[in-house]
Amino acid sequence: DTTVKQNPRYKLARVGKPVNLICSQTMNHDTMYWYQKKPNQAPKLLLFYYDKILNREADTFEKFQSSRPNNSFCSLYIGSAGLEYSAMYLCASSREISGNTLYFGEGSRLIVV
Amino acid sequence: GQQVQQSPSSLVLQEGENAELQCNFSSTATQLQWFYQSPGGSLVSLLSNPSGTKHTGRLTSTTVTKERRSSLHISSSQTTDSGTYLCAIGSYGNEKITFGAGTKLTIKP
Repeated sequence: DTTVKQNPRYKLARVGKPVNLICSQTMNHDTMYWYQKKPNQAPKLLLFYYDKILNREADTFEKFQSSRPNNSFCSLYIGSAGLEYSAMYLCASSREISGNTLYFGEGSRLIVV
Repeated sequence: GQQVQQSPSSLVLQEGENAELQCNFSSTATQLQWFYQSPGGSLVSLLSNPSGTKHTGRLTSTTVTKERRSSLHISSSQTTDSGTYLCAIGSYGNEKITFGAGTKLTIKP
């Protein structure tokens, strides 16, 4: 099974409210990533876990949090959603940090109103 | 950091025509992957091709590593090929995988 599953597929949130997105994979991959994708823009890396070590991008450091309680599961948490958070959030995993194929989930589409 | 440029940004073809998509990157890559993004937004891996030529079905990717470019050729295009094609680059020892902005392909019946 090479699937990465994301929940929810669609999320409508109010400005200022928290949002929690969930990702899981059963491929025993070391690395799990979260990307933000807006129309006509390249997917933007937000953060990734290599095993239990979390790496967050400098420009999104304060906006997103994450947890990885076990190898299969990774969440993306937004404490207080703003309109600019409306996007597709894509979770991916790979066997190692680099040099290996990325497997993506179907995405979680977040609309903030 | 790594820069990835894809061209053209959009392409409109008639069904049956061949499509040629380009990806250029700014520094050495040991990983290169082509993705298809459906209109619904999910990403599907098409090919992993850090060097040389690879074929799968109607897709052919050619990567010339020393020239820092890759192409994706779609032969005999179909309306279901419509969507956005993304190129992603990684380097061994660098955990960041960088995406291009994509080529939006529209195949008309």
